[in-house]
Amino acid sequence: QSALTQPPSASGSPGQSVTISCTGTSSDVGGYNYVSWYQHHPGKAPKLMIYEVTKRPSGVPDRFSGSKSGNTASLTVSGLQAEDEADYYCSSYAGSNSLVFGGGTKLTVL
Amino acid sequence: EVQLLESGGGLVQPGGSLRLSCAASGFTFSSYAMNWVRQAPGKGLEWVSAISAGGGGTYYADSVKGRFSISRDNSKNTLYLQMNSLRVEDTAVYYCAKGDGRTVTTFADYWGQGTLVTVSS
Repeated sequence: QSALTQPPSASGSPGQSVTISCTGTSSDVGGYNYVSWYQHHPGKAPKLMIYEVTKRPSGVPDRFSGSKSGNTASLTVSGLQAEDEADYYCSSYAGSNSLVFGGGTKLTVL
Repeated sequence: EVQLLESGGGLVQPGGSLRLSCAASGFTFSSYAMNWVRQAPGKGLEWVSAISAGGGGTYYADSVKGRFSISRDNSKNTLYLQMNSLRVEDTAVYYCAKGDGRTVTTFADYWGQGTLVTVSS
């Protein structure tokens, strides 16, 4: 169960768009349409932002979108706002009732 | 409103034991699989363990298999993690996370704020 690969950092100015990648293998990201993304402000509970690659839970702004191609999934944040500054983690179902997470990406709003 | 409240963390010596609890409210606890996920200092999230809604299915990451045991008491809406033979590398914030289904978790839709476990001599 190797961790998914995410860039350690990403940044953008308010109003811009930023995309965070998440690379796995055919045993996780590429094998299932069960990629999810979480926003985590340190000291708080992680928050589900995207599930099943592209779906948004109720209450998550449509500025957040997800996609997947092969073994790589992506989270795009459009119209960046100051409150979007946080750590973002991808996750994938990895079979045998297990999940695998990425190492996290720190998003900075300049 | 879904609430998950972890407790039981603390400082323990290598080789010691600790039991974490997670009190759940705001949803039908007995209908959902539950998970423990941890975050070591300066590191990313790591899935630790899962348990099916009825408690009959338990699953573990290789890093904790044979040392940790997950359980639940649906009459008390509480999830547990018994941690034995603790190692320094088990030091982390441990989060309780609600799964999206009865048996398989494909995503965690609600999380607690975590409880810190420190393994050190």
